Amino acid sequence: SQQGEEDPQALSIQEGENATMNCSYKTSINNLQWYRQNSGRGLVHLILIRSNEREKHSGRLRVTLDTSKKSSSLLITASRAADTASYFCAAKSSNTGKLIFGQGTTLQVKP
Amino acid sequence: GAVVSQHPSRVICKSGTSVKIECRSLDFQATTMFWYRQFPKQSLMLMATSNEGSKATYEQGVEKDKFLINHASLTLSTLTVTSAHPEDSSFYICSARELPWTGGNSPLHFGNGTRLTVT
Repeated sequence: SQQGEEDPQALSIQEGENATMNCSYKTSINNLQWYRQNSGRGLVHLILIRSNEREKHSGRLRVTLDTSKKSSSLLITASRAADTASYFCAAKSSNTGKLIFGQGTTLQVKP
Repeated sequence: GAVVSQHPSRVICKSGTSVKIECRSLDFQATTMFWYRQFPKQSLMLMATSNEGSKATYEQGVEKDKFLINHASLTLSTLTVTSAHPEDSSFYICSARELPWTGGNSPLHFGNGTRLTVT
């Protein structure tokens, strides 16, 4: 399967704590993207990191990319109840140009 | 920001009927739109790539005669599920890449999805 893998599948934390999600992929990539999905809704783009970048920040989000290990992580700092959602990584294949989504991490932030 | 509108958000239909789902880019043009299918608590599976003015490109295992895609303008793509069966029940999501396309590093803009239930 070309689908990427994410872990953990589910994560439950208290408000104010940090949440870390990991993603692994199989193909060579142009970039790796992270998306958020609220239940029953579409996906919202969060952040994009290019293959020649190692780390990127956007507000409370921090993304790392290790192309040698074909892995990425998303860190959400100082989590809020409103961060409760599913988070998907998506690897942009440099071979096909297609986005290959990971299995997703369901994050629950308890108030 | 770029908005993709998908309609309807929910639809219930009987087996054997056809259902059309629309995907519109409201404030930008998109020569390419993508259609995904998502099962409960699972990831998105790319079904097909919709190309304005030409035939869609379907992923392996997706029946093009069952999932008809039309991309007649730079702002509208439609997915028609023909002769629907209960196993077609799923969440269908479209996405689009905004023009001008800045190479391979442009994010996708997603619609809010359509929950299809076939009875």
